[in-house]
Amino acid sequence: KAGVTQTPRYLIKTRGQQVTLSCSPISGHRSVSWYQQTPGQGLQFLFEYFSETQRNKGNFPGRFSGRQFSNSRSEMNVSTLELGDSALYLCASRDRGQGSYEQYFGPGTRLTVT
Amino acid sequence: GESVGLHLPTLSVQEGDNSIINCAYSNSASDYFIWYKQESGKGPQFIIDIRSNMDKRQGQRVTVLLNKTVKHLSLQIAATQPGDSAVYFCAENTPGGYQKVTFGTGTKLQVIP
Repeated sequence: KAGVTQTPRYLIKTRGQQVTLSCSPISGHRSVSWYQQTPGQGLQFLFEYFSETQRNKGNFPGRFSGRQFSNSRSEMNVSTLELGDSALYLCASRDRGQGSYEQYFGPGTRLTVT
Repeated sequence: GESVGLHLPTLSVQEGDNSIINCAYSNSASDYFIWYKQESGKGPQFIIDIRSNMDKRQGQRVTVLLNKTVKHLSLQIAATQPGDSAVYFCAENTPGGYQKVTFGTGTKLQVIP
């Protein structure tokens, strides 16, 4: 099976702009989670989608949003970008239907806000 | 609130020695723990997991120990190799409602040849 893919891999935006990141999970995985990773921080949970519904949400402002499509692909959107949004955004998928907690991560999208 | 933290941000180990990476968690209700390895430029990769009804689990060259009394988790890597150099994260799964996985801040393992 192909792994989790994320596009684009690198992105440079300016403050005030918005950005959309895409994630394609492993085939058959219906759960997709998004994380923000910054230097010195752990992985900060953004949200999780399962069957096109947001199931969990982390402590991020409303500027961060996401959605999931019927084919389980997911997008996350950040509006009104701030310098502090510069980070590696990771997507992870898992087969919740099997009761597994193991997540498979993509390579991430490196977002730089200038 | 819940938190998962690591005792040491950086660990340097001689090649061939054993490595021990520690992790503290605060939510006594967490029922599942995972260790991930993240190499430079890549996403985290699953190493080993353990359920709260166990106190030890072994994999290939890796062992995870769980002490629920003091809410402590450790990852032991035997005969550390240069390829083990990476950042290691522990994560806990908290049940109730819709389970959520919380990651620690990470420990960087440097293997000295």
